[in-house]
Amino acid sequence: KQEVTQIPAALSVPEGENLVLNCSFTDSAIYNLQWFRQDPGKGLTSLLLIQSSQREQTSGRLNASLDKSSGRSTLYIAASQPGDSATYLCAVRPSLSFPSGSARQLTFGSGTQLTVLP
Amino acid sequence: NAGVTQTPKFRVLKTGQSMTLLCAQDMNHEYMYWYRQDPGMGLRLIHYSVGEGTTAKGEVPDGYNVSRLKKQNFLLGLESAAPSQTSVYFCASSRRGTSGRASTDTQYFGPGTRLTVL
Repeated sequence: KQEVTQIPAALSVPEGENLVLNCSFTDSAIYNLQWFRQDPGKGLTSLLLIQSSQREQTSGRLNASLDKSSGRSTLYIAASQPGDSATYLCAVRPSLSFPSGSARQLTFGSGTQLTVLP
Repeated sequence: NAGVTQTPKFRVLKTGQSMTLLCAQDMNHEYMYWYRQDPGMGLRLIHYSVGEGTTAKGEVPDGYNVSRLKKQNFLLGLESAAPSQTSVYFCASSRRGTSGRASTDTQYFGPGTRLTVL
């Protein structure tokens, strides 16, 4: 069974700092990996999606990398701002070689709660 | 374009009571999902639907039932609520991926329903 781990559970940094959030997964047979942002009391918003054949994706100040063989992904946030404060979750989708059904659905990590201090 | 909406936003039940959570999406998505989020455990899939009139079990389906009578709505029912079902429930939707076998596109989430069972 796929397990997704995000360490640390919480992170606090001063404004302007560059930071890296980590995501690790146990089964490298994935189709894609996504990073989501969750604000308090709200749902998840997709930030970046990386296909298994890709190494990285970029959107503005965000850069996500994927090393499928080692079971790791990182989310790099450049020049952090207080508005970046939120919980960041990663989720993996199994390879299409898995049988259809719930085994092919997303597995989420428990998230990293980021606080950017003014 | 409201995206994904959920009603109610908050609910308190007594053990043994029943209730239905409503999810609606206006993006004409084929796939819809119900997740629960518990502290330190990330999101876990309860049930999902790949189209009108079809539903399937996810990772944690026990104690829940679902129905998808209309493409835009996905209902989650608790027939006899238990304290273990205290959680935040999220609905999500996505369009069918080009593979036709699984949804490979990003999921769009509703704002969540916070349920407490006493």
